[in-house]
Amino acid sequence: SQQGEEDPQALSIQEGENATMNCSYKTSINNLQWYRQNSGRGLVHLILIRSNEREKHSGRLRVTLDTSKKSSSLLITASRAADTASYFCATVLRNSGNTPLVFGKGTRLSVIA
Amino acid sequence: DVKVTQSSRYLVKRTGEKVFLECVQDMDHENMFWYRQDPGLGLRLIYFSYDVKMKEKGDIPEGYSVSREKKERFSLILESASTNQTSMYLCASSRLAGGSYNEQFFGPGTRLTVL
Repeated sequence: SQQGEEDPQALSIQEGENATMNCSYKTSINNLQWYRQNSGRGLVHLILIRSNEREKHSGRLRVTLDTSKKSSSLLITASRAADTASYFCATVLRNSGNTPLVFGKGTRLSVIA
Repeated sequence: DVKVTQSSRYLVKRTGEKVFLECVQDMDHENMFWYRQDPGLGLRLIYFSYDVKMKEKGDIPEGYSVSREKKERFSLILESASTNQTSMYLCASSRLAGGSYNEQFFGPGTRLTVL
């Protein structure tokens, strides 16, 4: 069951530009996480934002969370060719007991040198 | 350096074979997960385990079973492989802290082809 939906499905930008990806979800969350997946590899955790936080930074990454709109965005500034990957949001449902992360289908980012 | 390892990167099996996919983590994590990833469908949870000998069905458990005899090892079993189980299989682990699921650490994946 997909909880998060990333938008756009694919994004192509020039090196040095900023990349913005969005994630919308349906039900109340405890936290939201972003992951990166390089082609044919496992996912790597990028950043976690809790439901009581609105913005978080990590290096060139900036994540925002708007719980009233049930949406989050991931901004990658000054993109590099090495940022080419698929990016997934994942949500932890509030009061979900043992229900684990629910992943979206991802945004495929291409950064052209 | 924390690690989740999977027994094979690539695997080719024949229809009807019994297939074992092994996953080992060295982080003493309570939780372990098996996903499959298919184009256009994203990651779908097959099974997960929050303790030794415990298992919970995910979204698509049909045709699969799991085994967790030791904390560090979580095995996915395809009892009788079928062509529609051709996919990328990803294992992950995480701590359970404060009742909330935190970041997951993923293995490199096993690309399984069933002929």
